[in-house]
Amino acid sequence: SQQGEEDPQALSIQEGENATMNCSYKTSINNLQWYRQNSGRGLVHLILIRSNEREKHSGRLRVTLDTSKKSSSLLITASRAADTASYFCATVSMNTGFQKLVFGTGTRLLVSP
Amino acid sequence: DTGVSQDPRHKITKRGQNVTFRCDPISEHNRLYWYRQTLGQGPEFLTYFQNEAQLEKSRLLSDRFSAERPKGSFSTLEIQRTEQGDSAMYLCASSVMDSVNNEQFFGPGTRLTVL
Repeated sequence: SQQGEEDPQALSIQEGENATMNCSYKTSINNLQWYRQNSGRGLVHLILIRSNEREKHSGRLRVTLDTSKKSSSLLITASRAADTASYFCATVSMNTGFQKLVFGTGTRLLVSP
Repeated sequence: DTGVSQDPRHKITKRGQNVTFRCDPISEHNRLYWYRQTLGQGPEFLTYFQNEAQLEKSRLLSDRFSAERPKGSFSTLEIQRTEQGDSAMYLCASSVMDSVNNEQFFGPGTRLTVL
């Protein structure tokens, strides 16, 4: 079963704009990870944020985590057409023995030139 | 290429047939995972191995599904008597033994279509 939901389900922006995706989850977590999936392909790991962290940066990516609200956001700044993909959050939890990723439902991002 | 590889990339089969997929993980990774992804959804966990031992199976993995990792390297996922509901992308991932972070590296997936 899915851990939670991502919002919005789909997002369409112009190149150069920022894209923000939100993820909500249900259980206590050890860490939360964001993955990108290009159409019909495997997933690529983008960034990991631990439960004791509130914000993390990697290049044009900024991730925040609010464990009190059980939510996270992914911000992509200065988006490019190549950022077009589906983005998934995934949690690692003691409840699941740290062994598996529990994914959200994903946000489909379309960046138009 | 030292990433996770999966074979075949696409498989079309008729209902009732058996299919087998293969996954080759990153060589130094001792954990291997199988996930299933249906259209418009996130991947769902099926099973995972630590070395050759299968340590967890999801209830999604019915009796028709079996996974092996005989030598702790590559893994196979077999589906017997396929049904149309088995149509999905089957993703394999691997990771090093890190009980805290568990960053997983995914293969390109095998897309199964059951007619």
